[in-house]
Amino acid sequence: QPVLTQPPSASATPGQRVTISCSGSTSNVGRNSVHWYQHLPGTAPKMIIYYNNQRPSGVPDRFSGSKSGTSASLAISGLQSEDEAVYYCATWDDSPNGRVFGGGTKVTVL
Amino acid sequence: EVHLVESGGGLVKPGGSLRLSCAASGFTFSSYNMNWVRQAPGRGLEWVASISGTGTNIYYGGSVRGRFTVSRDNATNSVFLQMNALTVDDTGVYHCARDATLDYWGQGILVTVSS
Repeated sequence: QPVLTQPPSASATPGQRVTISCSGSTSNVGRNSVHWYQHLPGTAPKMIIYYNNQRPSGVPDRFSGSKSGTSASLAISGLQSEDEAVYYCATWDDSPNGRVFGGGTKVTVL
Repeated sequence: EVHLVESGGGLVKPGGSLRLSCAASGFTFSSYNMNWVRQAPGRGLEWVASISGTGTNIYYGGSVRGRFTVSRDNATNSVFLQMNALTVDDTGVYHCARDATLDYWGQGILVTVSS
């Protein structure tokens, strides 16, 4: 069972906004930065948000991240068909020491 | 450009061993933590192990602790995962990834544990 809780699925029509939540605890999300990854089957996962709200170069500004307390969120605005993928959140857990992932959220563009 | 290429996967029987390698290029390898992350069929991503740039600090996920060993060779820009006492639950695609942020990932290598 993943340590971080994400909804299994989310969907929206092209151009709309979708938000994915990532819920943790004081030992992980509450104390450490959250990173987000986009994963298409058969490919290498791609980091799209790091340190809660930073976007790597080349990632469209349609992607944004935030964190408050023990929860984090990824928002995709102006949804496009190419955004269909599984999105994972991840952070470090201080107890016990280790990296933890959410279960992944499959985003479908209707 | 950062490149990570895994190798060493394949089919192994339960109880067997396998050693994965990850060849890195395009960055100062010794300056970065390296990680192994796996994905079982139909499941999500699961962190396996991390090793610091000098190899001093090593951490393992609970499901592999005591069976897997991560190591690195900064002279050859490589990180390794020695997997012992393999079970069917270890089947999956294994990725190496760079840094605490997991900012770059390899394509992954398939490990199948089956009799």
